[in-house]
Amino acid sequence: ETGVTQTPRHLVMGMTNKKSLKCEQHLGHNAMYWYKQSAKKPLELMFVYNFKEQTENNSVPSRFSPECPNSSHLFLHLHTLQPEDSALYLCASSQSIGTGRGYTFGSGTRLTVV
Amino acid sequence: AQSVTQLGSHVSVSEGALVLLRCNYSSSVPPYLFWYVQYPNQGLQLLLKYTTGATLVKGINGFEAEFKKSETSFHLTKPSAHMSDAAEYFCAVSDSTGANNLFFGTGTRLTVIP
Repeated sequence: ETGVTQTPRHLVMGMTNKKSLKCEQHLGHNAMYWYKQSAKKPLELMFVYNFKEQTENNSVPSRFSPECPNSSHLFLHLHTLQPEDSALYLCASSQSIGTGRGYTFGSGTRLTVV
Repeated sequence: AQSVTQLGSHVSVSEGALVLLRCNYSSSVPPYLFWYVQYPNQGLQLLLKYTTGATLVKGINGFEAEFKKSETSFHLTKPSAHMSDAAEYFCAVSDSTGANNLFFGTGTRLTVIP
């Protein structure tokens, strides 16, 4: 248990489906992040939230829609995805942006788009 | 802006041998540097970090890394490899201004040969 919980662990969805990934932390952190991890690529930062406010959208396609209702929860809503969106999606949190303490990561959601 | 280069996407060592994973960074301001480890089907776990002070930092599981400003390097070492060290290792850089997020390298997969 890392302190950051992601559900589901595995998800298979069709290109016309709508699904959501959930991330939850009870570490008292104020910043939360979504990363995409694809084979043979660096981790791609997708979204950053600081005190519930989105501070960064790293040119992510609109078929990915984040939501941060409070500092403890972060969602990634998915719709009309493409096969190339198949990847491990990692959520992370930190005390706040740029504190130098590093991030705490969840175990990820393995997404397969068919 | 910050960036990280990890030399060698795959490293193999014999059990009991020295582990050396290379990381070079680019940063226009004093960096914060991190090493993370990822075991199969899991998220990233912080191994160690350098922010300020002593340039040789010790982490979990017997790993250590040395910040060398003149070489812009932060190589990860362990004197004696264990089978349980087989995993993927990521170097990451942030900056000390508090303005930026973590930037990750492409990772190095460590294989330990019995």
